[in-house]
Amino acid sequence: QKEVEQNSGPLSVPEGAIASLNCTYSDRGSQSFFWYRQYSGKSPELIMFIYSNGDKEDGRFTAQLNKASQYVSLLIRDSQPSDSATYLCAVKPYIPTFGRGTSLIVHP
Amino acid sequence: DTGVSQDPRHKITKRGQNVTFRCDPISEHNRLYWYRQTLGQGPEFLTYFQNEAQLEKSRLLSDRFSAERPKGSFSTLEIQRTEQGDSAMYLCASSLDGQGLNSPLHFGNGTRLTVT
Repeated sequence: QKEVEQNSGPLSVPEGAIASLNCTYSDRGSQSFFWYRQYSGKSPELIMFIYSNGDKEDGRFTAQLNKASQYVSLLIRDSQPSDSATYLCAVKPYIPTFGRGTSLIVHP
Repeated sequence: DTGVSQDPRHKITKRGQNVTFRCDPISEHNRLYWYRQTLGQGPEFLTYFQNEAQLEKSRLLSDRFSAERPKGSFSTLEIQRTEQGDSAMYLCASSLDGQGLNSPLHFGNGTRLTVT
């Protein structure tokens, strides 16, 4: 069983819509959770991190964490074509472990 | 904060040759990680250092791979007798951890290795 699961997508949303990206993890000891954005051929870029249950907002991005359900999500409001990328979820019980990423396509 | 720096950006080598990559982490970061990423997959953990000590290596890391971080500064990753299956993006990342700190990873631009 893979430790961090993400739907590979692609997730396609129209410009201006809310994109919802989901991630589940298996290690209940995980304490830190991160979302990275990766454009094709580039390295991952940190978007958000969250350590406590609940929501954390930063601009158009909201990270949501539910440790009881072992679930973390990323919402992108007012999606723009420049948001089109692969979004990687990373979970850190000790060593950061990444999911395979979800491809997001925002079409005009 | 000049960011994480990796060199070279691209490397093309023939099967059987040895290659070495370098990573310079963010200067105040104490942890340095190496990951490998292939197309359509997330970064896969290879090894990490806390200061100069190599604390963990992935079970997937064959004995052809070796990493060092002398004096807890830059790190090198060497692959001996390269195989075509080694073709991937090799990512270095650093973080500041310990003593209640648990910072995210900050990645370099990566080294893309192609083995022909």
